[in-house]
Amino acid sequence: AQRVTQPEKLLSVFKGAPVELKCNYSYSGSPELFWYVQYSRQRLQLLLRHISRESIKGFTADLNKGETSFHLKKPFAQEEDSAMYYCALYGGTSYGKLTFGQGTILTVHP
Amino acid sequence: KAGVTQTPRYLIKTRGQQVTLSCSPISGHRSVSWYQQTPGQGLQFLFEYFSETQRNKGNFPGRFSGRQFSNSRSEMNVSTLELGDSALYLCASSSIQGASEQFFGPGTRLTVL
Repeated sequence: AQRVTQPEKLLSVFKGAPVELKCNYSYSGSPELFWYVQYSRQRLQLLLRHISRESIKGFTADLNKGETSFHLKKPFAQEEDSAMYYCALYGGTSYGKLTFGQGTILTVHP
Repeated sequence: KAGVTQTPRYLIKTRGQQVTLSCSPISGHRSVSWYQQTPGQGLQFLFEYFSETQRNKGNFPGRFSGRQFSNSRSEMNVSTLELGDSALYLCASSSIQGASEQFFGPGTRLTVL
């Protein structure tokens, strides 16, 4: 079975502070991991995927297979980062099925 | 390219009725996945279609069904609606064979009274 856990429902930081959104997963094979973001009144959109290893909007995420984690990090949070963040897992033979965590609401205060 | 579109955006139905939701994927995308989003359960996978074939199905009752047309547009149908079916229904399309990287539509908000 595949599972994604985001332990924090809510996360509040001040502008300019570092932010880390935690994601742990359970999967027996080699998964693909993603972070999706949903800004207020907008659709769910892909933020980054572990395969591309790129930084989007200053966010990075490293897949740690030993700890089965895929935490999202940003060194200096901005107010426009306030949104709901979802970690998602795709298993190799899942055919179109993303397994999502429960999401973390990030609020960046001025 | 235009994004994934879903119609209608809002629906109000009563218990026992049935409903059909539509999804048009990004041009060229052949995989369409459907999800149910609720405050309590979060995002849950319903099913996925590729080239008019259902390749995967989530853990939902048979009242939930879908289909895909030759132009990759997809519909999902919920029969005998229950109050618990009230949710945001999202569809997502992918150009990748395995359909891992998905692009989401705005969703259809279904309210069952």
